[in-house]
Amino acid sequence: KNEVEQSPQNLTAQEGEFITINCSYSVGISALHWLQQHPGGGIVSLFMLSSGKKKHGRLIATINIQEKHSSLHITASHPRDSAVYICAVRYRGGADGLTFGKGTHLIIQP
Amino acid sequence: EAGVAQSPRYKIIEKRQSVAFWCNPISGHATLYWYQQILGQGPKLLIQFQNNGVVDDSQLPKDRFSAERLKGVDSTLKIQPAKLEDSAVYLCASSPLPDYGYTFGSGTRLTVV
Repeated sequence: KNEVEQSPQNLTAQEGEFITINCSYSVGISALHWLQQHPGGGIVSLFMLSSGKKKHGRLIATINIQEKHSSLHITASHPRDSAVYICAVRYRGGADGLTFGKGTHLIIQP
Repeated sequence: EAGVAQSPRYKIIEKRQSVAFWCNPISGHATLYWYQQILGQGPKLLIQFQNNGVVDDSQLPKDRFSAERLKGVDSTLKIQPAKLEDSAVYLCASSPLPDYGYTFGSGTRLTVV
């Protein structure tokens, strides 16, 4: 069964802390997405990765294809970063739809 | 660029009733997806369209769920009859090409009582 595992499930941190969220998957993929979902809001695409590393503002996403693992980092975290962060993959050879992890619920306290 | 539009935002119905959701993808996006997100879980793909053809509907409960994308633009997802376990957020997403980046709508929150 093709699964996407995220850790931690819940994370509470203080403003300014460096945050890391992890994602692992089971078989070869063609792309991995990091998504952000605010309470009651829609889903926003943060990054799409197939190799290496991407950076946007305070967000950094990395992927290790050999280890089937990706991380999302938030530097200088802020309360407005509080959201659910979801990892999703498109499996190689599969249909174009994404397989999602269950998400990491992040709370940044002031 | 306008986003993916979905309506209604919220819907409450009784079990065994019918309900329909509407999605208008970003103009020019050939691929359209419907996802079901049950509280506390990640979204699950229900159906994927490429233009007006179905690419994948393997996880769509076809005895009660149906979807169409006439003319390859707007799409409608219907549930008839609804069950309590259908309570979820139904998300529509579109992309111009696979792996080119998805845009999600805000979703329709369905509560079946």
